[in-house]
Amino acid sequence: DAGVTQSPTHLIKTRGQHVTLRCSPISGHKSVSWYQQVLGQGPQFIFQYYEKEERGRGNFPDRFSARQFPNYSSELNVNALLLGDSALYLCASSGTGTGDEAFFGQGTRLTVV
Amino acid sequence: QKEVEQDPGPLSVPEGAIVSLNCTYSNSAFQYFMWYRQYSRKGPELLMYTYSSGNKEDGRFTAQVDKSSKYISLFIRDSQPSDSATYLCAMSGGSNYQLIWGAGTKLIIKP
Repeated sequence: DAGVTQSPTHLIKTRGQHVTLRCSPISGHKSVSWYQQVLGQGPQFIFQYYEKEERGRGNFPDRFSARQFPNYSSELNVNALLLGDSALYLCASSGTGTGDEAFFGQGTRLTVV
Repeated sequence: QKEVEQDPGPLSVPEGAIVSLNCTYSNSAFQYFMWYRQYSRKGPELLMYTYSSGNKEDGRFTAQVDKSSKYISLFIRDSQPSDSATYLCAMSGGSNYQLIWGAGTKLIIKP
């Protein structure tokens, strides 16, 4: 049974560029959340989606956007990349996203140079 | 003050010891509590999930939640070198369901 899959696993981008990160949740899960984790810190919440609707948004600039597709997969987009966007981006999959168990993918490591 | 406080360590113990990890929090609305293990440069792996107060045991792991004290703990029995990792607590509840995280405790088990 496949877990949460994220792609790509590693990415190097130049300042000012745009990036798209992808996530496929566990089969049967309808909620996807995105988190940013900077080295040495706990993850920070970016977005939560449930049934293709945005349910929550963290304290991130409008350069960050996301969407969820009918098959419950999700994309996180970041425009006008800054050096400070370098981090591990994590996708969490849960059944309903209302306090149930959240399972994470291996993450996408983004480096902005 | 952060909503969730967790000692970053590192915590170094000999193989076979009982390990105690803990977090404190300030938001009384939290009712879902999780412990994750994260190896370097990998995604967090869910170890324990607890709803509200009480204890939960799974193999060598025991999670405790004391909502009256706003304090949660993870105990690891018969610790192994393979348990060396960063352990993160996460919790949610109230009007939104985003996970609020501790900073993580780096655990080192010495053979």
